[in-house]
Amino acid sequence: QSVLTQPPSVSGAPGQRVTISCTGSSSNIGAGYAVHWYQQLPGTAPKLLIYGNSNRPSGVPDRFSGSKSGTSASLAITGLQAEDEADYYCQSYDSSLSAPFGTGTKVTVL
Amino acid sequence: QVQLVESGGGLVKPGGSLRLSCAASGFTFSDYHMSWIRQAPGQGLEWVSYISSGGSRIYYADSVKGRFTISRDNAKKSVYLQMNSLRVEDMAVYYCARESDIVPLDVWGQGTTVTVSS
Repeated sequence: QSVLTQPPSVSGAPGQRVTISCTGSSSNIGAGYAVHWYQQLPGTAPKLLIYGNSNRPSGVPDRFSGSKSGTSASLAITGLQAEDEADYYCQSYDSSLSAPFGTGTKVTVL
Repeated sequence: QVQLVESGGGLVKPGGSLRLSCAASGFTFSDYHMSWIRQAPGQGLEWVSYISSGGSRIYYADSVKGRFTISRDNAKKSVYLQMNSLRVEDMAVYYCARESDIVPLDVWGQGTTVTVSS
């Protein structure tokens, strides 16, 4: 069981805004460690989406944004598109010298 | 182009051993830290192990500590994962990925499948 908790699923219609939460504790996110987000399309390796809480790698659309507050972080997708249907994972670091991933969230475009 | 290619997966009996390899190309391997991440069938991502660029810092998930050993050979541009005392719950697709001090896992391999079954 991961120390970072995400909702199992979120859904939205094309064009809508959806958010995914990532809840940790004082030993990981709350300790000031950065949060990163990955997108995994079916049958493929994960892809880095957001790093350092809110930074987008080159090539990632600005529809994706990240934020962090206290012991939680969030990923927002605005202007939802069919191609955004995928699994999304947060990741941070822990004072136990590990780098856990979140439990994962499946995004469905209605 | 920048690429990571894993190999070494396969079928092994519980209690057996396997050595995974990850070959890098297209970038200066010795500048990057490397990690192994796994994904059990139908499950989420699980971070497994990390090794720093020079090999001096090594970390493991509790679930594999004492059984798995990560290592790297910068001359061969490769990172390895020696897996001993394998359990059914170790069955997964194993990915290697690179990271730097600022940017986390930004390049991933295609994964290699480990099946643990009698």
